[in-house]
Amino acid sequence: KAGVTQTPRYLIKTRGQQVTLSCSPISGHRSVSWYQQTPGQGLQFLFEYFSETQRNKGNFPGRFSGRQFSNSRSEMNVSTLELGDSALYLCASSPKVRTGGGNIQYFGAGTRLSVL
Amino acid sequence: GENVEQHPSTLSVQEGDSAVIKCTYSDSASNYFPWYKQELGKRPQLIIDIRSNVGEKKDQRIAVTLNKTAKHFSLHITETQPEDSAVYFCAARCLFIQGAQKLVFGQGTRLTINP
Repeated sequence: KAGVTQTPRYLIKTRGQQVTLSCSPISGHRSVSWYQQTPGQGLQFLFEYFSETQRNKGNFPGRFSGRQFSNSRSEMNVSTLELGDSALYLCASSPKVRTGGGNIQYFGAGTRLSVL
Repeated sequence: GENVEQHPSTLSVQEGDSAVIKCTYSDSASNYFPWYKQELGKRPQLIIDIRSNVGEKKDQRIAVTLNKTAKHFSLHITETQPEDSAVYFCAARCLFIQGAQKLVFGQGTRLTINP
């Protein structure tokens, strides 16, 4: 099976612009989560999507949004970019959640966003 | 809110010695605790995980222990090798209504194995 695929791998934007990142989960996985990784803050949860519905959202401003399509592919969008948005954005997919325990999350290689 | 504390932030051990990384979580409802290894420039890779109904799990040189009462869990690596050098993250899975979930990560431990 192919792993989690994120595109693009690298992005350079300027302040005020907006950006869209894409994530294709492992085939058959329906849950997609997004994380922001920075040296100072570590891995911070952004949001989780399951069956095209956002089920959970982290403590990020409304400039960060996302969506999931019927084929489970997900996109996240950041509007009005700020310098502090420079980070590695990781997405992770997992199978349908089962009761009583956790599901393994498999990470993509990430999109490194630099805001100038 | 949910929080995971991880210690130490850096750890340096001699090749062949053991390394231990400890995490404490705040949400008593957390029921799944994975550990990820992230090498420089690469994605986090799951190396071992443990569920809340188990106290210990071992996979070759790697083991994880969980103390639910104290809300502590630890990663143990024995007979360390240079390829074990990486950043290790612990995480706790928090569950919400209607199956929503999220992983809350510790700050990471940079492990260096000295030859």
